[in-house]
Amino acid sequence: QKEVEQNSGPLSVPEGAIASLNCTYSDRVSQSFFWYRQYSGKSPELIMSIYSNGDKEDGRFTAQLNKASQYVSLLIRDSQPSDSATYLCAVNHYTGNQFYFGTGTSLTVIP
Amino acid sequence: SQTIHQWPATLVQPVGSPLSLECTVEGTSNPNLYWYRQAAGRGLQLLFYSVGIGQISSEVPQNLSASRPQDRQFILSSKKLLLSDSGFYLCAWDYGDSYNEQFFGPGTRLTVL
Repeated sequence: QKEVEQNSGPLSVPEGAIASLNCTYSDRVSQSFFWYRQYSGKSPELIMSIYSNGDKEDGRFTAQLNKASQYVSLLIRDSQPSDSATYLCAVNHYTGNQFYFGTGTSLTVIP
Repeated sequence: SQTIHQWPATLVQPVGSPLSLECTVEGTSNPNLYWYRQAAGRGLQLLFYSVGIGQISSEVPQNLSASRPQDRQFILSSKKLLLSDSGFYLCAWDYGDSYNEQFFGPGTRLTVL
């Protein structure tokens, strides 16, 4: 079983809509959760981190964490064409330096 | 502010040739450093990480090696490249604190022919 699983997509949403990206993880000791955005040919860029259950908002982005159900999600409100990218979910255990990355969800925002 | 550099940006090498990729971090001290590889259409694979000078942990057995000769310098090497070594090599760093936020460099795209 993979540590972190994401729907590879592609996910297409119209401009101005809400994009919802989901991620599940297998290890209950996971403590830190991250969302990265990766444009084609570029390196991943950290956009959100979340450590406790609930929602965390930063501008148009909201990360949601549910440790009991072992999932973390990212909502992008008022989606823009510039949000078109692959979004990587990553989890980390406090006990080690190992980051586990999902394979990413490709998002396309249609003007 | 902190900055991470990687070079070269692009590299084309023949099979069996050596490899040296360099990563440096500016604006912080004693960072944790990481080497990842991202093959085409695949996820990020952690290759090595280092929590201090001379301290290297390997996550995947392969023909690659890593060294950390200085606090903010991390080098990825190979004596003989394989076709399967092609990919996007990413260096990352974090503060070594409990938040564990990792920040990536611009990457090196390696093609082995």
